[in-house]
Amino acid sequence: DTGVSQDPRHKITKRGQNVTFRCDPISEHNRLYWYRQTLGQGPEFLTYFQNEAQLEKSRLLSDRFSAERPKGSFSTLEIQRTEQGDSAMYLCASSLGGGLEQYFGPGTRLTVT
Amino acid sequence: AQRVTQPEKLLSVFKGAPVELKCNYSYSGSPELFWYVQYSRQRLQLLLRHISRESIKGFTADLNKGETSFHLKKPFAQEEDSAMYYCALGGGANSKLTFGKGITLSVRP
Repeated sequence: DTGVSQDPRHKITKRGQNVTFRCDPISEHNRLYWYRQTLGQGPEFLTYFQNEAQLEKSRLLSDRFSAERPKGSFSTLEIQRTEQGDSAMYLCASSLGGGLEQYFGPGTRLTVT
Repeated sequence: AQRVTQPEKLLSVFKGAPVELKCNYSYSGSPELFWYVQYSRQRLQLLLRHISRESIKGFTADLNKGETSFHLKKPFAQEEDSAMYYCALGGGANSKLTFGKGITLSVRP
């Protein structure tokens, strides 16, 4: 297991287009987190899953954002009708349970033109 | 509300000098504090957490609940310590992390 992986690593899209990112956590990890990081800021929490259940969403996650983890393994994060303000690094992390170390993926850098 | 403050953006020191990266937090519950590090072109990784009370790569951090601080210290900096450091606060059932803005540590030869 090489750790948390994310795909794609970079995405350039035009304003108004939809984009989808994928995260593959470490295989036995039941918790999966999404964070967003903009320039000069630390990562900000977006949402998290315990197995396939999405248990919390941040107020940062507008209704244009949706996340799924259909079988409790990989997760997708979709952004509809992208805006320039969505340009950021989207990070995924997983952990074996609550309160335990979160392992981060390399991130997907989104640029909306 | 959870909040983490890292008051400085950049710390530049010479090799062998002591390092202290400051972190203050605000949290009404029982906090879990972490330091994450990101080396150039690498992913974010955990450096240490207050529960383990370990020293990793010569770094230590003590949770001071009275001052709501979790400063990261190292007595003698090495060039390979140059990286971005983030203080993070967890706690509660969801264990989400609240990060500070980070600080760039630059260790000059």
